[in-house]
Amino acid sequence: GENVEQHPSTLSVQEGDSAVIKCTYSDSASNYFPWYKQELGKGPQLIIDIRSNVGEKKDQRIAVTLNKTAKHFSLHITETQPEDSAVYFCAAPSGDHMEYGNKLVFGAGTILRVKS
Amino acid sequence: NAGVTQTPKFQVLKTGQSMTLQCAQDMNHNSMYWYRQDPGMGLRLIYYSASEGTTDKGEVPNGYNVSRLNKREFSLRLESAAPSQTSVYFCASRLQGGTYEQYFGPGTRLTVT
Repeated sequence: GENVEQHPSTLSVQEGDSAVIKCTYSDSASNYFPWYKQELGKGPQLIIDIRSNVGEKKDQRIAVTLNKTAKHFSLHITETQPEDSAVYFCAAPSGDHMEYGNKLVFGAGTILRVKS
Repeated sequence: NAGVTQTPKFQVLKTGQSMTLQCAQDMNHNSMYWYRQDPGMGLRLIYYSASEGTTDKGEVPNGYNVSRLNKREFSLRLESAAPSQTSVYFCASRLQGGTYEQYFGPGTRLTVT
């Protein structure tokens, strides 16, 4: 089955700097890669996702890049702000790929701290 | 539109006790999921229900049972709680055929002593 590894486990940046979180996956047939943000005391929430037919996707200050050859994808946050402090999870599909994303395998998470 | 709701928010059990965690969604989603979250281990799938009337095991199903009561509700039961089941439990739902986004509830923090 799919295996997802996420690095780093914690990341501290100064407000205004960029943050990068990286994930690798094992199943070359995986075709959908979401990123979730979890604020303290809340459930995770989708912030951006990418499908395997594109190499990069941007949404304001966040972007995701995908390298299918190397089987890794990354989350990039530019001009970080204190409200970006949270736990971030990457994920990849597991099981029957006819149901893209019906089951997800999550990375272990990255605690991002933005210091002001 | 409340989204995904979970009850209770917090629970303390003694080893061997049983309890049911409740989850409901009002978004007319087909698929529902139960995850547990432990430090350093991310979210691990316990059970899921792709559609009303079906349930399947996830990555860590041992010690748990589920019931898809109707399209809205998906409950998780611990028959004989163990300290290893101390965790935060999240329910999620997804609309099949729509985006692939899973919508999560606020979680239940369970402690087994």
